[in-house]
Amino acid sequence: SSELTQDPAVSVALGQTVRITCQGDSLRIYYASWYQQKSGQAPVLVMYDKNNRPSGIPDRFSGSISESTASLTITGAQAEDEADYYCNSRDSSGNRLVVFGGGTKLTVL
Amino acid sequence: QVQLVQSGSELKKPGASVKVSCKASGYTFSNHALNWVRQAPGQGLEWMGCINTNTGIPTYAQGFTGRFVFSFDTSVSTAYLQISSLKADDTAVYYCTRDPILDYWGQGTLVTVSS
Repeated sequence: SSELTQDPAVSVALGQTVRITCQGDSLRIYYASWYQQKSGQAPVLVMYDKNNRPSGIPDRFSGSISESTASLTITGAQAEDEADYYCNSRDSSGNRLVVFGGGTKLTVL
Repeated sequence: QVQLVQSGSELKKPGASVKVSCKASGYTFSNHALNWVRQAPGQGLEWMGCINTNTGIPTYAQGFTGRFVFSFDTSVSTAYLQISSLKADDTAVYYCTRDPILDYWGQGTLVTVSS
C-alpha cells in the first residue's frame, strides 16, 4: 500500500499531552518523518527516523512506532504548536517513492 | 547554513508554461537529491517526484508525468520545475525540499493559473 492515514483534526488543552498518529503498511518497513506547517509557511521537519529531532525542535516533541502506526507526541502542548502536521515515509513498493499522509490539524485550546 | 531559495510567484494563463527555480546553498549540491512537493489551496502536501542531482535521473510520481519536467544546473546549484500546458488546477504552491529526509524546504512558489 502507498497510503498513510492521519486523523483530520485533533485538539489538546494548553499544557496537556497529545498524540498524532499515522497509519500505513509502509511503516512496517520505513520510518516516518513528521512535518509541522503553520499557516502561510513552508513545512518544517520536526521528527525523523522514529525519534530523532532536528536541531532547534523542542524536546516536548517525541516520536514512536508500533507495527504499522507511527506517532508524534507533544508533551505539554504550547499555543505555538497549533499547526498542521504531516507524516511521510517511503512507498512499500520497493521503489522508495515518497508518500505523505493527509495531514492533521492540531488545535491548542 | 543550508538554504533553498525559490523564485517568486507566477501568474499564468491556461496553456502557458512556467519554470520554477530552487537555488541551493550551504551544502554540496550533488550530494542530495531534490524533491518537488505541491500544495493546492487548502489541501495537503503531495509529492511530485525528485531528481538525483548526481546522476541526473528524475523520478515522477503518478499524476506528474508528461507535463512536468525536473532539471538542474550544477554550476549554479539550482534545480528547476517546468510545467507545460498549464491548467487551472495546477494552481498551487510548489516547494523544493532536500532528500532523503526532506530536512530543508524552500519558501514555496505560488503558481496561479487563471484567464
